[in-house]
Amino acid sequence: DVKVTQSSRYLVKRTGEKVFLECVQDMDHENMFWYRQDPGLGLRLIYFSYDVKMKEKGDIPEGYSVSREKKERFSLILESASTNQTSMYLCASTLGDPRNTEAFFGQGTRLTVV
Amino acid sequence: AQSVSQHNHHVILSEAASLELGCNYSYGGTVNLFWYVQYPGQHLQLLLKYFSGDPLVKGIKGFEAEFIKSKFSFNLRKPSVQWSDTAEYFCAVTLGIGIFGTGTRLQVFP
Repeated sequence: DVKVTQSSRYLVKRTGEKVFLECVQDMDHENMFWYRQDPGLGLRLIYFSYDVKMKEKGDIPEGYSVSREKKERFSLILESASTNQTSMYLCASTLGDPRNTEAFFGQGTRLTVV
Repeated sequence: AQSVSQHNHHVILSEAASLELGCNYSYGGTVNLFWYVQYPGQHLQLLLKYFSGDPLVKGIKGFEAEFIKSKFSFNLRKPSVQWSDTAEYFCAVTLGIGIFGTGTRLQVFP
């Protein structure tokens, strides 16, 4: 089974802190994604990566950065956490094959910024 | 920009009722289409998918969806829902990256 693992299930951070969310997948997937999930807004794409050291902005990249130093790991960084970044963060991965783009998701990290 | 619209935000049904959740997308080219489900406290998981071929696709737990290219639609159906179908359902279109709808919260009462 494909497994996507997010390092924390729940996090509470203070405003202004630098926050790291880690995601690891074990199926050698090329593509990795970070979404945030908010009630009534669905999943919104923050950043994605098609390859090691490669990153692309999604729809809402402001206030975030990412790092992909290894194929299996994709980190989301909140440079200076703010209360409007309180949300559920979901990591996902897919194969690099455009004919099979099924996404596999981690269990999510619920981040609260106080 | 490409987008996915889910028309029903919150649906409440009794067990054994029939279900249809609407999904429309805005991209005119070849797409991969998905429905994902998120049960309470669990991660998002695949319900069914359409890549090509028969436009009527069957998924897990008795769900099915029909791709109607002329209407840019991919509606989800189930003839008889169960209490265990209570969850949030997301339609998604993949054009390399996944574009998700806003989700439909389904509550099924016994």
